[in-house]
Amino acid sequence: DTGVSQNPRHKITKRGQNVTFRCDPISEHNRLYWYRQTLGQGPEFLTYFQNEAQLEKSRLLSDRFSAERPKGSFSTLEIQRTEQGDSAMYLCASSLGTGAYGYTFGSGTRLTVV
Amino acid sequence: QKEVEQDPGPLSVPEGAIVSLNCTYSNSAFQYFMWYRQYSRKGPELLMYTYSSGNKEDGRFTAQVDKSSKYISLFIRDSQPSDSATYLCAMRTGNQFYFGTGTSLTVIP
Repeated sequence: DTGVSQNPRHKITKRGQNVTFRCDPISEHNRLYWYRQTLGQGPEFLTYFQNEAQLEKSRLLSDRFSAERPKGSFSTLEIQRTEQGDSAMYLCASSLGTGAYGYTFGSGTRLTVV
Repeated sequence: QKEVEQDPGPLSVPEGAIVSLNCTYSNSAFQYFMWYRQYSRKGPELLMYTYSSGNKEDGRFTAQVDKSSKYISLFIRDSQPSDSATYLCAMRTGNQFYFGTGTSLTVIP
């Protein structure tokens, strides 16, 4: 297992299109997190899963955003009707248990909405 | 007021210098404190974590937490060009981490 894997690495899309990102966490990690990071800012929490259950969602996660983790393994994050303000790095992280001592992050998916 | 404040820099030092990076916070409920390093176009990588007040050392890195002042620091001794990156502080309460904006560090050979 080589860590948290995210695909695609980069995505350029036209405004109004839907996009979907995938995250494969470290296999034994039961918690999976999605964060968004814009240039010059720290990561901002979006949502997290414990196994297949989505336990918390940030108010940043508008109705256009949906995340799933159907079998408690990989997760997808979908953005519908993308807007230019959605342009950011979308980071996935995973942890075993509560992750009290930090998460393992993937390299992120960089989204550009044109 | 943001939960976590961090000077974005940029910070530029000569190789071999001691680097001091700092964050302040406002939420007294934070108990776990971490430092992440992020290279350009990569995800953050956990460097160090501490629980509550005190110091922790790991090689060239020392993390300090002063809960009474709501202030945390990361010291890098004998800095190397490979230390050039953005350093993010992070703090946890409940199930969420709160990150600083990151400090950009360049170590000049």
